[in-house]
Amino acid sequence: LAKTTQPISMDSYEGQEVNITCSHNNIATNDYITWYQQFPSQGPRFIIQGYKTKVTNEVASLFIPADRKSSTLSLPRGSLSDTAVYYCLVGDNPPPLDSSYKLIFGSGTRLLVRP
Amino acid sequence: DAGVTQSPTHLIKTRGQQVTLRCSPKSGHDTVSWYQQALGQGPQFIFQYYEEEERQRGNFPDRFSGHQFPNYSSELNVNALLLGDSALYLCASSLFLADRNYEQYFGPGTRLTVT
Repeated sequence: LAKTTQPISMDSYEGQEVNITCSHNNIATNDYITWYQQFPSQGPRFIIQGYKTKVTNEVASLFIPADRKSSTLSLPRGSLSDTAVYYCLVGDNPPPLDSSYKLIFGSGTRLLVRP
Repeated sequence: DAGVTQSPTHLIKTRGQQVTLRCSPKSGHDTVSWYQQALGQGPQFIFQYYEEEERQRGNFPDRFSGHQFPNYSSELNVNALLLGDSALYLCASSLFLADRNYEQYFGPGTRLTVT
């Protein structure tokens, strides 16, 4: 299973672009990269998923270089409400027979967006 | 469209006791996964249920057991509680046949405290 490495914490300021990088050197060919966000006292929430190049949705962008050994989650204009823990997930693809995917979380990156 | 619900919100138990936690998946979902999240850590996969069967299991002892009902709701049971079982227990629902269903929907969790 691919292991991910993320910074423990990050600080940013309101209105600035936020980039959180995740390393996954042992990513397998079939693995997708998924990011989740978690606010205190809440369950994680899916943000974005990608395989290669760039993926963008209404919340964030995900940049994945050609070698796929890292990925960067980008929040275009950080807001105070983006303060949360962000998890990068890779792996468990394909799942065991007659099973669905299980999510393998690391410790995540604690993002603090300041006024 | 009802999201994932869990009950109870908080629970305090004594060592050696047994506890049952409940989860109702998001409307239309048929797969339920349970995760344990210790303070300051990422969620850890406990097990997954689909078609009323345990499909996958993480590295948790047999004291942790579960059940899924015909209406897709699920229970997590923990016997012989230990102090180390104190954590936030999260339920996540998904659709089994969805393509690469890393997008799982989490409930708010049940905070279990063992004294």
